[in-house]
Amino acid sequence: DVKVTQSSRYLVKRTGEKVFLECVQDMDHENMFWYRQDPGLGLRLIYFSYDVKMKEKGDIPEGYSVSREKKERFSLILESASTNQTSMYLCASSDPDRYRTNYGYTFGSGTRLTVV
Amino acid sequence: AQKVTQAQTEISVVEKEDVTLDCVYETRDTTYYLFWYKQPPSGELVFLIRRNSFDEQNEISGRYSWNFQKSTSSFNFTITASQVVDSAVYFCALSEDTGRRALTFGSGTRLQVQP
Repeated sequence: DVKVTQSSRYLVKRTGEKVFLECVQDMDHENMFWYRQDPGLGLRLIYFSYDVKMKEKGDIPEGYSVSREKKERFSLILESASTNQTSMYLCASSDPDRYRTNYGYTFGSGTRLTVV
Repeated sequence: AQKVTQAQTEISVVEKEDVTLDCVYETRDTTYYLFWYKQPPSGELVFLIRRNSFDEQNEISGRYSWNFQKSTSSFNFTITASQVVDSAVYFCALSEDTGRRALTFGSGTRLQVQP
């Protein structure tokens, strides 16, 4: 069963802390994504990556950075956590070949981060 | 830029009623992909369907059906004879064939099915 695994389901951090959210996929996908989900706003794209060591800003990158040193792992970093970064964070991966019959995006279970 | 609008924030129905969730999208690409996902209270996103822009054929899967109309840029989702287990947040999403290949989501519709 193909999977995207996020290291923590729930996380509580203090304001100003550096926070790492980890995501690992076992499907050998080249594309990986980080979203945050807030009520009434749906899922918004923070960062994405098409390959190892490559990263692109999404719609709301401010206050975040990412790291992709290995194909299977995509990390989201909150350099100095703030209370407005309290949210649900979802990682996803996809195969770039859109002509595959099973083309799609696979999501992790999410990390609910609370910054106090 | 691409955009997905789900105007219905919350819908409440009684079990066995039919319900339609609306989705309107905007894109400049001629090739694009539309998705529906379900998010139950447990939080994970469950894939329901993918449609590409060249396939306007409607699809039915059990109690679920989807109506894709390019003329109105809509991709609506109907649940027939709703059940309590259908209670969830439903997201419509779009990805374009060019440019960044990330999903753009609507804001979601919360469906409550009362017994």
